[in-house]
Amino acid sequence: DSGVTQTPKHLITATGQRVTLRCSPRSGDLSVYWYQQSLDQGLQFLIQYYNGEERAKGNILERFSAQQFPDLHSELNLSSLELGDSALYFCASSVAYSLWETQYFGPGTRLLVL
Amino acid sequence: GQNIDQPTEMTATEGAIVQINCTYQTSGFNGLFWYQQHAGEAPTFLSYNVLDGLEEKGRFSSFLSRSKGYSYLLLKELQMKDSASYLCAVRNYSGGYQKVTFGTGTKLQVIP
Repeated sequence: DSGVTQTPKHLITATGQRVTLRCSPRSGDLSVYWYQQSLDQGLQFLIQYYNGEERAKGNILERFSAQQFPDLHSELNLSSLELGDSALYFCASSVAYSLWETQYFGPGTRLLVL
Repeated sequence: GQNIDQPTEMTATEGAIVQINCTYQTSGFNGLFWYQQHAGEAPTFLSYNVLDGLEEKGRFSSFLSRSKGYSYLLLKELQMKDSASYLCAVRNYSGGYQKVTFGTGTKLQVIP
C-alpha cells in the first residue's frame, strides 16, 4: 500500500459525459501527478500540481482539467468523453518537486466509456 | 521531444539473471527511474539514477550512462513473482517544468 488513495476504483459511463476522478496523496506529500495508461499508448504523464499550483504539463487534452485543493487532494475532470478515453488513470504523489523525488502511485481508477 | 526505447518482451528462467536495457534521447536530463508493474496494478518504484554508475538494491541493480543515453535494470536470482512489466522513465527539465516520460515497458516472463 503506497498511501495514495484514488476513488472510484471503477467507472463506467457513456460517450459525451463528464466524470471526476479523485486522489488523496500520501500524508505530507505536496505534489500530485496524474497519468493515463491505455493498452495502445502505455503510461502517459498528464499533469502535475505542487501545493495547489500547476507545476508541469504533459499530454493532457483540452477536454481534461485538474486541480489541487488546499487540503492537497486533487481531482481530474474528464469531459466530452470519447471511447478512446477508456483507460486506467493513476494518481501519484511525492514530497515536493525536487530533482530526487520518487513518485508513489495510487491503485488507479479504471474508466470505461461505452 | 523525447525518445525512450526498451525491448517489448523478454523471457528468463527462474534463478537466472536478466538485464533489461533502456535507451533514451532527451534534453535537460534530470534522472532515470525504473518501475515494476504487475498486470492491472499500479507501478511500483524500483530505482532512480541521476549520476553515472551502478546502484544496487538487493536483487535489483540499475545502471546509468548519461553520455550514452543508456540504462539497464539487472534482476538477479529471478523469482516467478518477478514476472511483470518493467518501465523505464526519464525525467527532464524543460521550459521551467520538470516532466517524466515513460517508455512503453518491457514485459518479462519468468519461466520455471
